[in-house]
Amino acid sequence: QVHLQESGPGLVKPSETLSLTCTVSGGSISSYYWNWIRQSPGKGLEWIAYIHYSGTTKYNPSLKSRVTMSVDTSKNQISLRLNSVTAADTALYYCSGGYYNGKLDNWGQGTLVTVSS
Amino acid sequence: QSALTQPRSVSGSPGQSVTISCTGTSSDVGAYDFVSWYQQHPGRAPKLMIYDVTQRPSGVPDRFSGSKSGNTASLTISGLQTDDDADYYCCSYAGTHTIFGGGTKLTVL
Repeated sequence: QVHLQESGPGLVKPSETLSLTCTVSGGSISSYYWNWIRQSPGKGLEWIAYIHYSGTTKYNPSLKSRVTMSVDTSKNQISLRLNSVTAADTALYYCSGGYYNGKLDNWGQGTLVTVSS
Repeated sequence: QSALTQPRSVSGSPGQSVTISCTGTSSDVGAYDFVSWYQQHPGRAPKLMIYDVTQRPSGVPDRFSGSKSGNTASLTISGLQTDDDADYYCCSYAGTHTIFGGGTKLTVL
């Protein structure tokens, strides 16, 4: 069973860049498409982006201008960068392994990011 | 893009059946047989319950079933159990991205 662990700073200042890492264990990083999904407090799920180990990436059109995903196969890690953050980016950020079509089999426990000065 | 449309809440008694709808457009739900459903209990990560409209992952009870007609997908839960009390989200492939529904709170009375 694939295990996913998200990590990153819990607090980010407005206008700065949010950087998160997802470490994959118990499986090959080449087996899945790796997605980031977020959930604002008390709200629903929002898909952010996915990346395949080959480098293929797709982004949420509403976030595309601010998001970058990357994969480090040597460390079995996936990274997310979201720049120019505002309070609206405060959320629980999940890493998930699955496919390009929304079939997300494995989820991390999520990491809470608060945007505040 | 807008989220897929789900009812905010549904309810049912133990043993009954409920159906949760998920309405999209001809660019997402109506265009692809790639609708999935997720169950989320408070404080927990989402869990995949249905994928590719009708398929159940290993371990998901056959009380959970999915269907689709046109731009609307549905999740039916039969023989309701107290543990089914949770939030449910639909999710659809949209060609270049993935989109979630707004979520439905299922209350098992």
